[in-house]
Amino acid sequence: DAKTTQPPSMDCAEGRAANLPCNHSTISGNEYVYWYRQIHSQGPQYIIHGLKNNETNEMASLIITEDRKSSTLILPHATLRDTAVYYCIVRVAGGSQGNLIFGKGTKLSVKP
Amino acid sequence: DAGVIQSPRHEVTEMGQEVTLRCKPISGHNSLFWYRQTMMRGLELLIYFNNNVPIDDSGMPEDRFSAKMPNASFSTLKIQPSEPRDSAVYFCASSLLETGELFFGEGSRLTVL
Repeated sequence: DAKTTQPPSMDCAEGRAANLPCNHSTISGNEYVYWYRQIHSQGPQYIIHGLKNNETNEMASLIITEDRKSSTLILPHATLRDTAVYYCIVRVAGGSQGNLIFGKGTKLSVKP
Repeated sequence: DAGVIQSPRHEVTEMGQEVTLRCKPISGHNSLFWYRQTMMRGLELLIYFNNNVPIDDSGMPEDRFSAKMPNASFSTLKIQPSEPRDSAVYFCASSLLETGELFFGEGSRLTVL
């Protein structure tokens, strides 16, 4: 079973921020939080990852709570092309990577 | 830069036939993953390799499935004999062992009649 819990679906208006939550209450100290997304009929695409500090890149921001039991992926200005299934995954980075488990993810629908 | 390249993109075959899916990882990457995706089961990790060595094949459904990585630039996933329940999209992904960020190919859509 996946180690994360995400809402099955969310809607967001185009141009607004999309905030996608993820619960990972059993995360271990050496596990990172990774986010991927899968646009219809394509392979999953890496978005961002973090350990305990907030992270930002050109695609998104990742906010991790201080206790690391939950996180939020933020797409600051959602576009129609951001419509996809978003997966939150916890795993060890590098070395013996173990089983990368994809859950069911959150289906984000960005509407005009 | 070329991403992960998979072939064929689409394959339709009859039950009992052998199927071979191919993957060329990103040059320089030293980890390679095979996933399968269906509506019912989502994305499942079948097997992964580090430095061409299979590390974990516990996700391989049964003996009909086999995967090889003869060198750093090529891997195959073979199904023999194929069955209708093997119909799925098969994804290959590669990464640097040190970073863990996976890059996925566009997938091979397999239909077994």
